[in-house]
Amino acid sequence: QVQLQESGSRLVKPPQTLSLTCGVSGGSISSGSYSWSWIRQPPGRGLEWIGYIQQSGTTNYNPSLKSRVTISLDRFKNQFSLKVTSATAADTAVYFCGRGATFIDKWGQGTPVTVSS
Amino acid sequence: QSALTQPPSASGSPGQSVTIPCTGTSGDVGAYDYVSWYQQHPDKAPKVIIYEVNKRPSGVPDRFSGSKSGNTASLTVSGLQAEDEADYYCSSYAGHENFVVFGGGTKLTVL
Repeated sequence: QVQLQESGSRLVKPPQTLSLTCGVSGGSISSGSYSWSWIRQPPGRGLEWIGYIQQSGTTNYNPSLKSRVTISLDRFKNQFSLKVTSATAADTAVYFCGRGATFIDKWGQGTPVTVSS
Repeated sequence: QSALTQPPSASGSPGQSVTIPCTGTSGDVGAYDYVSWYQQHPDKAPKVIIYEVNKRPSGVPDRFSGSKSGNTASLTVSGLQAEDEADYYCSSYAGHENFVVFGGGTKLTVL
């Protein structure tokens, strides 16, 4: 049973870079043709798709975040990562990692990130 | 403002059926059969209950069903149970440039 777990800094000072990692257990990140995604949820609000990375390394990002976001894959560590540069209070949210692209069939439990000085 | 439009709330009594609409455009819901629905209980991660308009993942009760007509997708929950009380989000593929868009979510209350 594949499981995902987010980790990283929970408090980020603006305009530093927000960095998170999603560890994948119970299966290889390279198996199958799965893509790996990041989604976030600001406090009391709905879900926002951030982007995804394919097995090939091809990425696709939310146009509203594209200039600040990077998603990368580390096959050796069986994990994938998210970086959001020039963080502001508007980036405060619970960040989820997930398996899939057009739909997410496995989700991490989510990690809250606060951007504040 | 979310790309897909959902009513903020819906309700029904145990045993009843409720339908939640999700309205998009000809560039997302209307163009692709890649509509998904997620159920989210408080302080929990979302869980996919419908994908590709009307497919149910293994383990999801058949009380949950999805459909689509034009630019509007719908989730129907039949035989409402107390544990169905949650937030529900729709999402759709929106083409390579925008990729995935979500609705604003609907809070379902079981009366």
